Amino acid sequence: KNEVEQSPQNLTAQEGEFITINCSYSVGISALHWLQQHPGGGIVSLFMLSSGKKKHGRLIATINIQEKHSSLHITASHPRDSAVYICAPVYNFNKFYFGSGTKLNVKP
Amino acid sequence: SAVISQKPSRDICQRGTSLTIQCQVDSQVTMMFWYRQQPGQSLTLIATANQGSEATYESGFVIDKFPISRPNLTFSTLTVSNMSPEDSSIYLCSVDGIETQYFGPGTRLLVL
Repeated sequence: KNEVEQSPQNLTAQEGEFITINCSYSVGISALHWLQQHPGGGIVSLFMLSSGKKKHGRLIATINIQEKHSSLHITASHPRDSAVYICAPVYNFNKFYFGSGTKLNVKP
Repeated sequence: SAVISQKPSRDICQRGTSLTIQCQVDSQVTMMFWYRQQPGQSLTLIATANQGSEATYESGFVIDKFPISRPNLTFSTLTVSNMSPEDSSIYLCSVDGIETQYFGPGTRLLVL
């Protein structure tokens, strides 16, 4: 069974701060998603990674397959970034393990 | 991209009753996934629904409790049967995309 650990569980930041959320997993995977869940419950996939690094706007995601670790970075954080961020490693090509999530609150 | 809608968006039900949740996708997909998110928890996969075959259930979930239909490539239903307060959750359907995953808006269920 894959154990997925996310840290921190809760994070409060001031607007403009650089934010890092970490994810570690215990078994080999084919890819990893970073998901964003807003207070209303809707979930959006921000990234799917199988190696290296991806960047979308102010969001950067990295993965180290050998070390079984991924990070999500938010540059110049904004209150609208407030959400729960979930790390979701993928196994068997379409089945996910889900981390417990990091609740981010960005204060103006 | 895929747009997913779910009905109902929320419901309050009495224990012992059943609720059927509908998931509609705006494009044809092979597999549809049903997830549960209990209060304060992350998502748990209930089952994978393929058109034309029985759904595949994950450990801890059974067909009698969570019957699933998949009549065509754009639609699926999940029924939560004989509900108890422990079934109070958000239920989401999801489909694969190209290097992404699409999620429905969720159905918030409260069982009294």
